[in-house]
Amino acid sequence: GQSLEQPSEVTAVEGAIVQINCTYQTSGFYGLSWYQQHDGGAPTFLSYNALDGLEETGRFSSFLSRSDSYGYLLLQELQMKDSASYFCAVPPRAAGNKLTFGGGTRVLVKP
Amino acid sequence: DARVTQTPRDKVTEMGQEVTMRCQPILGHNTVFWYRQTMMQGLELLAYFRNRAPLDDSGMPKDRFSAEMPDATLATLKIQPSEPRDSAVYFCASGLATGGLGTDTQYFGPGTRLTVL
Repeated sequence: GQSLEQPSEVTAVEGAIVQINCTYQTSGFYGLSWYQQHDGGAPTFLSYNALDGLEETGRFSSFLSRSDSYGYLLLQELQMKDSASYFCAVPPRAAGNKLTFGGGTRVLVKP
Repeated sequence: DARVTQTPRDKVTEMGQEVTMRCQPILGHNTVFWYRQTMMQGLELLAYFRNRAPLDDSGMPKDRFSAEMPDATLATLKIQPSEPRDSAVYFCASGLATGGLGTDTQYFGPGTRLTVL
């Protein structure tokens, strides 16, 4: 079976840095994805790590360590608009990408 | 700006009624997914298609749910009869799978918020 564990909630102030950790257990593994979802909205793709290391996209970075079955999403220079839920997801790439999502981390940014 | 579209955006119905939700995937995408999201269960995969063929619908209650892709531009999810426990937001997503490796990115539609009274 598969499981992805991430914290349920994180609170931080504007300008701060937040790290959302994700640990996973999968029978097959090809990479870790991150999605953002605002209240009332749809999940939107943020990043995908196929290889170990850090991927940077603007204020957001994502890290993967396959040997540790661990990854994280780093949100820098937090803005109010970053208040949302963030999901890690594992796509088994055999047979068409059946994504399994973690339970989501709700990030609340305060002024 | 290519997007996944879903209709209706909101649906309120009574228990026992049939509900049909529609999705238009992004043109050129060959995989389509149906998810259900609730506070209690989070995001659950119900079914997915590749090149219009159903690959997996193990997440779907078979007795009342059905998913089809009559053509490459339309996917449908039907519930008959609906029950109050089906109340949720239903998302459709599409992606482009190449070769045997699947797709790393899924593009979600805005969702259909279903309320069954």
